[in-house]
Amino acid sequence: GAGVSQSPSNKVTEKGKDVELRCDPISGHTALYWYRQSLGQGLEFLIYFQGNSAPDKSGLPSDRFSAERTGGSVSTLTIQRTQQEDSAVYLCASSLSGQVGNEQFFGPGTRLTVL
Amino acid sequence: AQSVTQLGSHVSVSEGALVLLRCNYSSSVPPYLFWYVQYPNQGLQLLLKYTTGATLVKGINGFEAEFKKSETSFHLTKPSAHMSDAAEYFCAVMTDTGGFKTIFGAGTRLFVKA
Repeated sequence: GAGVSQSPSNKVTEKGKDVELRCDPISGHTALYWYRQSLGQGLEFLIYFQGNSAPDKSGLPSDRFSAERTGGSVSTLTIQRTQQEDSAVYLCASSLSGQVGNEQFFGPGTRLTVL
Repeated sequence: AQSVTQLGSHVSVSEGALVLLRCNYSSSVPPYLFWYVQYPNQGLQLLLKYTTGATLVKGINGFEAEFKKSETSFHLTKPSAHMSDAAEYFCAVMTDTGGFKTIFGAGTRLFVKA
């Protein structure tokens, strides 16, 4: 594909339900990032994958959040027992490698609304 | 730990006027600095970046930014604003210690008046 894709584009769920958000990075990109963008706030780092290394999970806000990356490509961000404060746009980005200075290419995001 | 502060969540300029968006960073090691832009209903895209070398960096659409180590700043400027520049701008810092995660500022929304 030409760019980073994310699905679904919009997700409305009820409080307490689990959700899965998917990210398909640019082919050949070894680094993958998840961010959360809340209204009026900047991008909040969540998690970073680089190749086969252990992911940097330091940004995950609680143990309800988890992410995996299968085969070094597609990534899934899972939020368990969703809360209303989880409502935000979840952005995925990929870069050619994890080297500093490499541009990140962002997907269009998934807008999550928790009722 | 590194951090980014963008002064002013909203900036309004007239078409043709100077655009100045402020960014200050905190980092204990040499930083790599970025400006990203998010146009309405679109994803983020890279505007420009500083890694090493020349401290004045030129980006797309006539924007430029200057890395000033003594001021820990990386302000974004454009001599003459255009209506199409209306967007949200994010400053970001990345360092090569403790991983390569990028820390973003809270963003500055630029309004351009006719």
